[in-house]
Amino acid sequence: AQSVTQLDSQVPVFEEAPVELRCNYSSSVSVYLFWYVQYPNQGLQLLLKYLSGSTLVKGINGFEAEFNKSQTSFHLRKPSVHISDTAEYFCAVKEDYQLIWGAGTKLIIKP
Amino acid sequence: DGGITQSPKYLFRKEGQNVTLSCEQNLNHDAMYWYRQDPGQGLRLIYYSQIVNDFQKGDIAEGYSVSREKKESFPLTVTSAQKNPTAFYLCASSMGTATNQPQHFGDGTRLSIL
Repeated sequence: AQSVTQLDSQVPVFEEAPVELRCNYSSSVSVYLFWYVQYPNQGLQLLLKYLSGSTLVKGINGFEAEFNKSQTSFHLRKPSVHISDTAEYFCAVKEDYQLIWGAGTKLIIKP
Repeated sequence: DGGITQSPKYLFRKEGQNVTLSCEQNLNHDAMYWYRQDPGQGLRLIYYSQIVNDFQKGDIAEGYSVSREKKESFPLTVTSAQKNPTAFYLCASSMGTATNQPQHFGDGTRLSIL
């Protein structure tokens, strides 16, 4: 069975600085990977997805992620964060009929 | 606009009471899901439905029940057998469970115990 590990429960970063949110999944023959964002008291919104093809995936709000099969990672990055990026970010991998979720990383933007 | 509507946004349950959370979608999606979210944890799957009149248990189905009488609707009942129901409940839908298309989410219902 798949598992997803988000290595940091919280990541504090100054506004306009770059950020990386880390996600590792357990090995599988083929994987389909997703990053979602959750703003306070709201549902989840899809940021980006990797299904196949280019290992660098671009998403909404200036985020991108790189699929690394050898390291079984799918880290999320943004070159310059804004206060509006304050949210919780979830990584997920598709397995059979369901998504397997990481525990989430809270992105805290410091002014 | 197409989307998923969950109601109510906040819900309170008394001891021994069953409560029902509503989830409606107008995306014409076949598959629907219910998740439970607790602080510091990822989402845990309660039930899912691939098609009308069919549903399957997820990882934490005990104390919950669902129905899928219409394609658009997938209500979740939290029964009195669920001893720790305080959580944020999220409903989602997708084109199908066999596809790799992403799931779309409602804005959630926060359930608390009185």
